[in-house]
Amino acid sequence: AQSVTQLDSQVPVFEEAPVELRCNYSSSVSVYLFWYVQYPNQGLQLLLKYLSGSTLVKGINGFEAEFNKSQTSFHLRKPSVHISDTAEYFCAVSDLSKAAGNKLTFGGGTRVLVKP
Amino acid sequence: DVKVTQSSRYLVKRTGEKVFLECVQDMDHENMFWYRQDPGLGLRLIYFSYDVKMKEKGDIPEGYSVSREKKERFSLILESASTNQTSMYLCASTPPGISMNTEAFFGQGTRLTVV
Repeated sequence: AQSVTQLDSQVPVFEEAPVELRCNYSSSVSVYLFWYVQYPNQGLQLLLKYLSGSTLVKGINGFEAEFNKSQTSFHLRKPSVHISDTAEYFCAVSDLSKAAGNKLTFGGGTRVLVKP
Repeated sequence: DVKVTQSSRYLVKRTGEKVFLECVQDMDHENMFWYRQDPGLGLRLIYFSYDVKMKEKGDIPEGYSVSREKKERFSLILESASTNQTSMYLCASTPPGISMNTEAFFGQGTRLTVV
């Protein structure tokens, strides 16, 4: 079984400031890692994913995340946020077994509010 | 443009009603999923299907059933709606296996209120 913990339920941040959203996971098997974003009144959109290779992953809209296997973390960062980054962000994992069928296990979400 | 379409954005139903939530995808994906989204709990998997007429329980299947008669359509059924099923419901689809191009595509969500 897997679980995902997003350590901050809300993160207020000023425009043009950096932001970091923390994500820790637990799993008995190797996993793939994802960050999704949900803008108000919309479905989820993929920001970035880690499958293998370089532990620093770059995604859309200037976001990046770093996979740290020893700390079982996958923190999301953006060096300078915009008002339009106001949204809820979800960290998710999927295990590598065929039986998983690409099921995703999600964290509780982090709501980012960018203030002018 | 790829699409996962949920039939309703907002629904209000009465306690005890049978409720159908419909989801259609146009990407010929094998896998389809129903999640429930609640504040602070993120998304929790209700049911998923990896082929027509195949279904498996997710983490919170109690009170729900599903139907997949055609590859593109995956229906979530609340046999007898209760107020604790008031929530946002999200449908998603993915192709089989995982590759660098794999991602889950989500519908816009259906906000269900049971009164």
